[in-house]
Order: sequence, then structure tokens, then C-alpha cells
Amino acid sequence: GQQVMQIPQYQHVQEGEDFTTYCNSSTTLSNIQWYKQRPGGHPVFLIQLVKSGEVKKQKRLTFQFGEAKKNSSLHITATQTTDVGTYFCAGRINAGNMLTFGGGTRLMVKP
Amino acid sequence: EAGVAQSPRYKIIEKRQSVAFWCNPISGHATLYWYQQILGQGPKLLIQFQNNGVVDDSQLPKDRFSAERLKGVDSTLKIQPAKLEDSAVYLCASSLGTSGRITDTQYFGPGTRLTVL
Repeated sequence: GQQVMQIPQYQHVQEGEDFTTYCNSSTTLSNIQWYKQRPGGHPVFLIQLVKSGEVKKQKRLTFQFGEAKKNSSLHITATQTTDVGTYFCAGRINAGNMLTFGGGTRLMVKP
Repeated sequence: EAGVAQSPRYKIIEKRQSVAFWCNPISGHATLYWYQQILGQGPKLLIQFQNNGVVDDSQLPKDRFSAERLKGVDSTLKIQPAKLEDSAVYLCASSLGTSGRITDTQYFGPGTRLTVL
């Protein structure tokens, strides 16, 4: 079945440093979504990427979808303590298929 | 706009007991999802409803788990009997669910944290 892998599992950074998490799928995806889950909270939708090679920005966050639509990345510039949480990617093979979540990358930011 | 509601928020039971969770999706959302999130892992889809019909239940352990969405609005997920490995957070999510759209955003509820002793 479809697998979505994320690396790293954990990342400790000093406040102000950059952070990147990578997402890889075993199959070509129709779209990929990114979610953030704060400690003790529930996943909250961040963004969706649909086109090959697509790049989207949200303030300090930059999301990329690979040319082959099998990988994606989330980059945070100059992390802040409010960025703490687990970032999940979730991919879908095609319309009507279920969303498969990666294992997540837990980000910890030291002030 | 009210979000996805779930109850209870926490439940502690002993193995072999039964438990039920309730979810009320965002008003107007046709698609409802139940996920299981084990500590340290990503959410795993258990079942997906489109209105009151099941779209995907391929990962639902049907020998012990059941779910229904009789009137196409709120839904219940039941575990009977529970096992130790069922300890997890059970998340409900909903989306507009327009047929054929691949870009549906899912909105998650706060989850029910189940502990099986």
C-alpha cells in the first residue's frame, strides 16, 4: 500500500535557526497537504500543493512539491518558539482516495 | 463557525470492555473521517463517510470496530471488545466533500484520548 515517510523524526533548534522537514511517498501523488499539531492538540491544516514543482509561501514557511510529485518539503526560516509542534505531510494518490499521513517531524525550539 | 465536536475528550476502560465515541462535523460538511493516532505516530484513517455511505473502511479492524453515520450528519465509532493496543487518540475530521475534488481540506476535532488498561 501507499507509504509516506518523513524525516527527521525529531529536530531541536535554537530560536532563530532554520528548520526543514522532508516528506517522501512510495507512489506518485495527486496532491499533498501539510498539517501542524501542537502538543496536546489536533492537526491543523496549513497548506495544499497540487502542481508538479509548486512552491508556496506563508510568511516564514516555504512549501515545495517535487517535480515527480513524490516528495515535498517544509522549510521554516528563523524559527520562533510558537513554531513548536509536530508537522505532518499527508498525500493522496487520486480523487476519492484516502489521505495517508506521514509519521511527522517533531520540532522543538530552544529560546 | 463552530468546529468539529467530539465527546468524550477522555476515556479510560479495561480491556475487553466496550467504548463509543461521538462526532459532530462542521455544518454542511458531507464527508466525515475517523482517524486513530497512536502516540508518536501520524493519524491513520479508519473509515471515511460521504453523507451516510462508507467510502473507505479498508483499514478498519472490522472484528472489533464499527462506525455509523445514519442520518449523514453526526457519527459514532465503537470498539467492542477493546484491546490494550487500541490505546490512542481517536480523531474525527470533516470536509466539504464535493464529489471528485482532490483538494478537500480536512478540519479535525479535538479528539478522544482512549486508555485501555
